[in-house]
Amino acid sequence: QVQLVQSGAEVKKPGSSVKVSCKASGDTFSNYAISWVRQAPGQGLEWMGGIIPIFGTANYAQKFQGRVTITADGSTSIAYMVLSSLRSEDTAVYYCARRIGGSGTNWLDPWGQGTLVTVSS
Amino acid sequence: SYVLTQPPSVSVAPGKTARITCGGNNIGSKSVHWYQQKPGQAPVLLIYYDSDRPSGIPERFSGSNSGNTATLTISRVEAGDEADYYCQVWDSSSDHEGVFGGGTKLTVL
Repeated sequence: QVQLVQSGAEVKKPGSSVKVSCKASGDTFSNYAISWVRQAPGQGLEWMGGIIPIFGTANYAQKFQGRVTITADGSTSIAYMVLSSLRSEDTAVYYCARRIGGSGTNWLDPWGQGTLVTVSS
Repeated sequence: SYVLTQPPSVSVAPGKTARITCGGNNIGSKSVHWYQQKPGQAPVLLIYYDSDRPSGIPERFSGSNSGNTATLTISRVEAGDEADYYCQVWDSSSDHEGVFGGGTKLTVL
């Protein structure tokens, strides 16, 4: 059974970058994709992008293009999400999740526990 | 990009049936997935492929999808079902992105 454990909470200054990690266990890391989703306080879920570790190729939601970088290290089964040029609106809980799919669709299961990123001067 | 519309809130008495809708243009041609999120917790997959349940999800939770509306139905609602519910589709036409509905807060009266 796949489990995803994320790194701890972060407090960052506006304009800086944050790196969140997501360690997978319980299955072969390269067999599936990892997606990142964020949730601002009191708000809904927002898709950021994802990566297929075995290929190393990432895709990003248009909103985050140029500001987010998603990578994966197959040797450690860890995926990373770096968000740069942080602003207060980026304050949110960031989740990683295993992306599963077939027949032209994808869903997320399971999810990591979430990482709170606070952007404040 | 593709837009999913959910009612902000739904209220239901214990033991009754709750229906949460997810609207989208010709959503019946897509596969819809549903998540439950309780306060302070990560989302949990509830339904995938419109109506399939992962192991461990009670049969009280069911889904359907046709036309411009997908529906999550919760039968015999319990106090523990109070949570936020999100629908999600995969938008292959838009750089292969996942799209979430805005979420529906289910209140058990």
